[in-house]
Order: sequence, then C-alpha cells, then structure tokens
Amino acid sequence: DAGVIQSPRHEVTEMGQEVTLRCKPISGHDYLFWYRQTMMRGLELLIYFNNNVPIDDSGMPEDRFSAKMPNASFSTLKIQPSEPRDSAVYFCASSPGQKNTGELFFGEGSRLTVL
Amino acid sequence: KNQVEQSPQSLIILEGKNCTLQCNYTVSPFSNLRWYKQDTGRGPVSLTIMTFSENTKSNGRYTATLDADTKQSSLHITASQLSDSASYICVVSASGGSYIPTFGRGTSLIVHP
Repeated sequence: DAGVIQSPRHEVTEMGQEVTLRCKPISGHDYLFWYRQTMMRGLELLIYFNNNVPIDDSGMPEDRFSAKMPNASFSTLKIQPSEPRDSAVYFCASSPGQKNTGELFFGEGSRLTVL
Repeated sequence: KNQVEQSPQSLIILEGKNCTLQCNYTVSPFSNLRWYKQDTGRGPVSLTIMTFSENTKSNGRYTATLDADTKQSSLHITASQLSDSASYICVVSASGGSYIPTFGRGTSLIVHP
C-alpha cells in the first residue's frame, strides 16, 4: 500500500483565499483524522471520521474550517477564508481502529503558509 | 482531563551517546502507549507500543519502558546516530468509548557529530 497520501505538500496563499487540502487514506482503514501541527501547540486534533461519518469536530477552530469525507478513499479539509494564523502543517492520518491497537498512519503533511 | 507531558522539551547530544526521554500521562482507563518518531518534514511513525502488562520493549537501539502504577514511560536511545535527530512523541490511548489517542508535545532531539 502507498500509505496515506496528502496533497498539496506545500501551499502558499494570500489572506482571504480559499484553501483545500486533500487526503487519501490507507485502503481498509475505518478511521480518518485531520491534525494541525505548530511549534507552539504541537499536534492538535481537528476532526475525525469513522466509516466516512464525522464523529468529533470539536477541535475545528472556527466556522472557517470544514471537512468532508464523501467516500472511504477521499477527504478534504477546507479553510475559507484563510488567515495568517492558519499557517501550519496539516496532517491526515488513518487507522484501522482498535483492532490494530489504535496505531495512526500519517501522511507527509501539507505545509500551509498564509501571507 | 487526559493529558500527556513530555520532558525534556529539547535535547542535544553527541553522536554515540545515550539518552532518555520521559513521558508522564494521566489518561484513564489506560489502553496502550506509543512512541512515535517524526523526522523533519515528515509525518510521525510509530516506533513501539506498550500495553498494560508490558514493562520493557526494545526496537533495535530504542528501548521503551512503562510503569503503569506511576503512569510514566521512558524511551532510551542507545549509541545515538545522526539519523536519530527527530521529534519523539508520546501518545496514550484510553480503553472503552472513544479510543482517540492523547498526544504529548514531543521532545526534539538533535544529535551532533
């Protein structure tokens, strides 16, 4: 398996623009997570899905953030409008769930810079 | 509230030396504890997993310990190499209900030649 695939790897945009980050999880994994990583706060869970259904989005910072998982092989994280404080590395991770003792498999991340 | 605290925040050592990273947690009820390694510009990768009944587990030059009574874990790196330079993240999962793991902030390790 190719692992979790994220795109784009790098994104530079201007404040106010819409940003869409994409993720393809590992086939057969029931859980998908979106994390944000900054130097100040480390890895923060934004939202996670189980079988394509959003379970907990309490980590989504504000209404400018939204995430979807239309099918088992694709998810998006959208920021509209983007702000400079959204600059961070966004990670997608998938997991087969408890049956694998909860190991998370991370993608390589999308580094977002909002000017 | 479930929490995971790691120390030190950062560490610099010379190549060939040993080091130990610490992790304290308050996650309950405890299911398992993982150490992840995150290389610069990459996603975290699991190094080892510790369950309640395990005290020590080795993965090459990495040895993890777990004391479930004091809720502490350590990651010992022997004969460090330049490739060990990375962030090491302690992650603890609870049993029952939501299994979503709790992440520590990580220890940034730099190995100098």
